[in-house]
Amino acid sequence: AKTTQPISMDSYEGQEVNITCSHNNIATNDYITWYQQFPSQGPRFIIQGYKTKVTNEVASLFIPADRKSSTLSLPRVSLSDTAVYYCLVGDSGVADGLTFGKGTHLIIQP
Amino acid sequence: AAGVIQSPRHLIKEKRETATLKCYPIPRHDTVYWYQQGPGQDPQFLISFYEKMQSDKGSIPDRFSAQQFSDYHSELNMSSLELGDSALYFCASSPGTSGPLAKNIQYFGAGTRLSVL
Repeated sequence: AKTTQPISMDSYEGQEVNITCSHNNIATNDYITWYQQFPSQGPRFIIQGYKTKVTNEVASLFIPADRKSSTLSLPRVSLSDTAVYYCLVGDSGVADGLTFGKGTHLIIQP
Repeated sequence: AAGVIQSPRHLIKEKRETATLKCYPIPRHDTVYWYQQGPGQDPQFLISFYEKMQSDKGSIPDRFSAQQFSDYHSELNMSSLELGDSALYFCASSPGTSGPLAKNIQYFGAGTRLSVL
């Protein structure tokens, strides 16, 4: 499914950051997955969900009932959270390639 | 924990030369993926292998080929290199059907930076 994210966001250390991704054409079998990428490094899986709320040690993912959007929440960010965040929506089966759209450049300031 | 290993980390080639990139997946991962990321671009999927068979194909040029070996490591072979091939090349692996039911979570290596002069 096509996704739309803000191109860039700024925040400050210690703040909570919420990045919203729109995916109006999400299909029934689609999952929502977020990856983080630092400059010159490979993307890193952050979190994945199908509906409602998912939380792990790194982030939370909020998905409303209609699933047409999702919000990645990063609690108490630090300078090291400065990165590009990608929202991927799809029903990737075994060995299917991922389609990365335009991610969100998150810049954390002191 | 063991991660995806890529070699070399940096590679400099001349136009029309060939290059071979290697990828060693996380132990017990049977699926390997290759991605290309040009300067200022987002990662683009090239090709994937599951149990040593080509599985999915993306925007991989005909000049490129890849294979997965019996020990599950993979090599991306690039011939007749062009200036536009200069990019970061990432390999990723996933457990395929042997892993959790989470949808195709992929684990990426640190990448190989290819510069074509």
